[in-house]
This record gives sequence, structure tokens and C-alpha cells, in this order.
Amino acid sequence: DIQMTQSPSSLSASIGDRVTITCQASQDITNCLNWYQQKPGKAPKLLIYDVSNLKTGVPSRFSGSGSGTDFTFTIYSLQPEDIATYYCQQYDNLPLTFGGGTKVEIK
Amino acid sequence: VQLVESGGGLVQPGRSLRLSCAASGFTFDDYGMHWVRQGPGKGLEWVAGINWKSGRIAYADSMKGRLIISRDNAKSSLYLQMSSLRAEDTALYYCAKGMNSGLHYGLDVWGQGTTVTVSS
Repeated sequence: DIQMTQSPSSLSASIGDRVTITCQASQDITNCLNWYQQKPGKAPKLLIYDVSNLKTGVPSRFSGSGSGTDFTFTIYSLQPEDIATYYCQQYDNLPLTFGGGTKVEIK
Repeated sequence: VQLVESGGGLVQPGRSLRLSCAASGFTFDDYGMHWVRQGPGKGLEWVAGINWKSGRIAYADSMKGRLIISRDNAKSSLYLQMSSLRAEDTALYYCAKGMNSGLHYGLDVWGQGTTVTVSS
């Protein structure tokens, strides 16, 4: 199975800050990577697919980049409604696997 | 576009349970479908997936041999038959829609989940 390692596991930032989360795959997954947002008590939502494509309706302050084994998720200007846990997910190989999650809080 | 899970509940260890997911608002038989679970305070774990025509099915190793995923395209419904349940299977089980007809892609629509609690 492909292991997805996310870091940090949690972070605290101020409104307007740039937030960066990294996700490392245990083997090359080319561009087969998605990012999800899960707010407390809610189901996950797909934000970004194929590394860098924003799902329709997702604000442009969210961004993704990377290839191969190393990927980055960025929130360019943190907003109060961005408080959530974020997960990466690879789909290069089955089983589909998720990173451990990054909990984003407001400082 | 909506997915609504049902069938969760409290079950004793070793017993079976069948989860259902009713889909609406999209052409169900065009897409692969998946089950993803989340243990209490834990992250997301993919459990099983089935492609659009049920020709390709895959399971997580953690539950392989104890699961049967199936779908009824005429009813726009997805199912998960779970057997020999263990305490560690306690989780919120989500139904999720794949972004294509296969199993290799993202999950772009999620239900609200159904809770399975395995306890004596």
C-alpha cells in the first residue's frame, strides 16, 4: 500500500496568514493526488483534484502543487471558515489511501 | 446531488451488518462508488470501492474477507455487507461518489455517514 505522510499534524495561524501543508507519498504517484477539507462534525469535501485543479466553487485562495512523491497544499490568506482538518489522498494505486490529516486552527 | 446512508447501529462483536446508500441527483450508473470510514477521533480510511458496472471491486486489507460491496444501478443504491465485526470496526461509514466510472480517482460527493458501533 502507498503510505501518505502529511505534516504538520496540526497548526495554528492568524487570519490572513499563508498556511502550507505537505504530503509525501511512499512511492511515485505522478499527479494522482487530491485534497479534502473536513469541518468539525461534517463530511469531507473535495477541494483540489489532480494535484492542482480546484473543484468548481472552491475559493482561489486554495492551491495545490507538486508531483511524484512530494506535494503541497496552500491557503494563501487564511479565513475563519477555513478552520478544518485537511487530508491528502492518492489514487495511483489501490487501496486508495489518505494522509493522516492536518488540523488547522486560528491563533 | 445527494447520498444518504442508512443501516448503521449497535452490533455485537462477530455479528453482521448491511449498510445502504441511496443516491440521487446524478446518473448513478456512470460512476464508481466507495465506502470510507472514520473511527472516533481518527482520520479517513478507504474501505471498499466498486466500478460502474460492478466489474471491478476492491477492498482494504483491514477488512478483506469480511466485506461485500455491491450496487443496484436500477435503484441507484450502494451496499456494504460487513461480517465478523470487531470493536475496531466502530466508525462513521461514509458513502462517496467517484469522479469517474472506475476506482482510481477522487471522491467528489459524500454522504453524511452512518455510525457503526461494535460492542457487547
